[in-house]
Amino acid sequence: NAGVTQTPKFQVLKTGQSMTLQCAQDMNHEYMSWYRQDPGMGLRLIHYSVGAGITDQGEVPNGYNVSRSTTEDFPLRLLSAAPSQTSVYFCASSYSAFRFDNSPLHFGNGTRLTVT
Amino acid sequence: GENVEQHPSTLSVQEGDSAVIKCTYSDSASNYFPWYKQELGKGPQLIIDIRSNVGEKKDQRIAVTLNKTAKHFSLHITETQPEDSAVYFCAATPSNQFYFGTGTSLTVIP
Repeated sequence: NAGVTQTPKFQVLKTGQSMTLQCAQDMNHEYMSWYRQDPGMGLRLIHYSVGAGITDQGEVPNGYNVSRSTTEDFPLRLLSAAPSQTSVYFCASSYSAFRFDNSPLHFGNGTRLTVT
Repeated sequence: GENVEQHPSTLSVQEGDSAVIKCTYSDSASNYFPWYKQELGKGPQLIIDIRSNVGEKKDQRIAVTLNKTAKHFSLHITETQPEDSAVYFCAATPSNQFYFGTGTSLTVIP
């Protein structure tokens, strides 16, 4: 098993450009989520999904879109990049959306995004 | 939503000493409290967790304690080693969302 795979590892965008951060898991996990990590602010939830076809907003959803057409993939789209979106982005998944104590979060290794 | 506070933000200890990191949470519905370790350039990895119906859990040199009444939980690392140097995050889960603390950068000095 590869676990949670994120691509790309690094990306530089100009303000206003759009892009998609990819996330794939091969563990048949029901729950998938996206976080951004900024210095001194911990990990903040952007969007999450409890199964294919179901998504919901987290703490900081503005400027981001997600979709979940398959169990394995959960891409994060930046519609019009802004310097405030410069951050490290992590995708994480869990077997169960409602029993994390039996199935904790597994994280990918992150995508470092810079918007100039 | 849930609010998780974590202290200290940085911690330096001599090799062999103990390290303690503390977190508080606000939502009494939170029922699961994991701790994650993040090494440079990597994603966070689960090191220990505790459910709300348990007061203490230990795994070798690592232990977590939970005080539901006071809404706080702590990570204890004994006999620290240089490879324990990393950033540690606590989290609370009142529903199907994780709320993370702001992290503690632990440095173990050989």
